[in-house]
Amino acid sequence: GESVGLHLPTLSVQEGDNSIINCAYSNSASDYFIWYKQESGKGPQFIIDIRSNMDKRQGQRVTVLLNKTVKHLSLQIAATQPGDSAVYFCAETLNQAGTALIFGKGTTLSVSS
Amino acid sequence: SAVISQKPSRDICQRGTSLTIQCQVDSQVTMMFWYRQQPGQSLTLIATANQGSEATYESGFVIDKFPISRPNLTFSTLTVSNMSPEDSSIYLCSVETETPGELFFGEGSRLTVL
Repeated sequence: GESVGLHLPTLSVQEGDNSIINCAYSNSASDYFIWYKQESGKGPQFIIDIRSNMDKRQGQRVTVLLNKTVKHLSLQIAATQPGDSAVYFCAETLNQAGTALIFGKGTTLSVSS
Repeated sequence: SAVISQKPSRDICQRGTSLTIQCQVDSQVTMMFWYRQQPGQSLTLIATANQGSEATYESGFVIDKFPISRPNLTFSTLTVSNMSPEDSSIYLCSVETETPGELFFGEGSRLTVL
């Protein structure tokens, strides 16, 4: 199953499906965006980032899309695995040293076998 | 990247007491930040821990309630003072390394206030 469009607090998919997690960011001046994965009982882990001069960036099984016009960010996970089950947060910041991240609402991804 | 160690990892505290959380990084970093994550919520920035000067607090957070120390480039502490049950949260230390804006996080300190 996939989910596009508005932010959803939870997303349930079957193993092997593609997942799409959406995020709306708040500051039109933000120019650096990061997706974090947070497993239960752990701190957030960096997944992938994108700068505002790009609209798409690919990693291993993950792709981030940036739409600055509507201030929307999405994370696509290909062939979702049970180990992908976690809470996913998008974060925004200005591309300046010392500027802290502002986090969006998280999406809990549940992957069933 | 950086390896960040936080102590304690969890604690149960009595109302009215204070607790200090320590954050140790395995390399010198310029920027350190403290975040709070309330149950089931996203991360909220408390303050930026500045080395050699007073911390910079975000709206809604004050030094009397969350005093912060940053004695050197590898260590910081956050104290949660005069705790109430509303302070029950995960407190996370994060650092910025070489890439501006890219933060690495510790495992967090889970506080429960009774």
